[in-house]
Amino acid sequence: KAGVTQTPRYLIKTRGQQVTLSCSPISGHRSVSWYQQTPGQGLQFLFEYFSETQRNKGNFPGRFSGRQFSNSRSEMNVSTLELGDSALYLCASSLVQAGSGTEAFFGQGTRLTVV
Amino acid sequence: GQQLNQSPQSMFIQEGEDVSMNCTSSSIFNTWLWYKQDPGEGPVLLIALYKAGELTSNGRLTAQFGITRKDSFLNISASIPSDVGIYFCAGQKGSGNTGKLIFGQGTTLQVKP
Repeated sequence: KAGVTQTPRYLIKTRGQQVTLSCSPISGHRSVSWYQQTPGQGLQFLFEYFSETQRNKGNFPGRFSGRQFSNSRSEMNVSTLELGDSALYLCASSLVQAGSGTEAFFGQGTRLTVV
Repeated sequence: GQQLNQSPQSMFIQEGEDVSMNCTSSSIFNTWLWYKQDPGEGPVLLIALYKAGELTSNGRLTAQFGITRKDSFLNISASIPSDVGIYFCAGQKGSGNTGKLIFGQGTTLQVKP
């Protein structure tokens, strides 16, 4: 079974630009969550999508957005990039089942550097 | 954002030694997960815990879900050099209807051969 695939692995962007990151979850998983990882703040939850709907949102500005397609693939977009957006962006795929705990499996991440 | 309190922050041990790390929170969690992350890679799931008091093993790894549901610990027995990495705890508050996780700050483990 293929794991979570994130593209691209590395990205360098200039301040003010926008960027789109992609995540393909494990087959059959309908929940996709995004996290930002930085040395100072650790792993911070951005948002979760389930069946093409945003179900949870973290405490990030509106410049961070996302969407999910009917095949569960997800994209996140960051507009008007700032230097502080430099981070490892991780996508996690979950088989969410009501009434029981769920395991989240991560992709390798996209390393975004804003210069 | 909210984070779990994970300790210790770092450990430097001799190969063959046992390791213990823990996570605490002021809030109740319904699921505890433990991950290992290597440099430049995504976290890899080690152990998942779903019930208060549950003790689960995965090879040399053992983790427990605290009975108060506010803490969890991870033990690694007989450490080896490939155990080097950053270990994260993660908690989930929902009852299975969400993938949202709250993470600890991580424990960096170094093993001296």
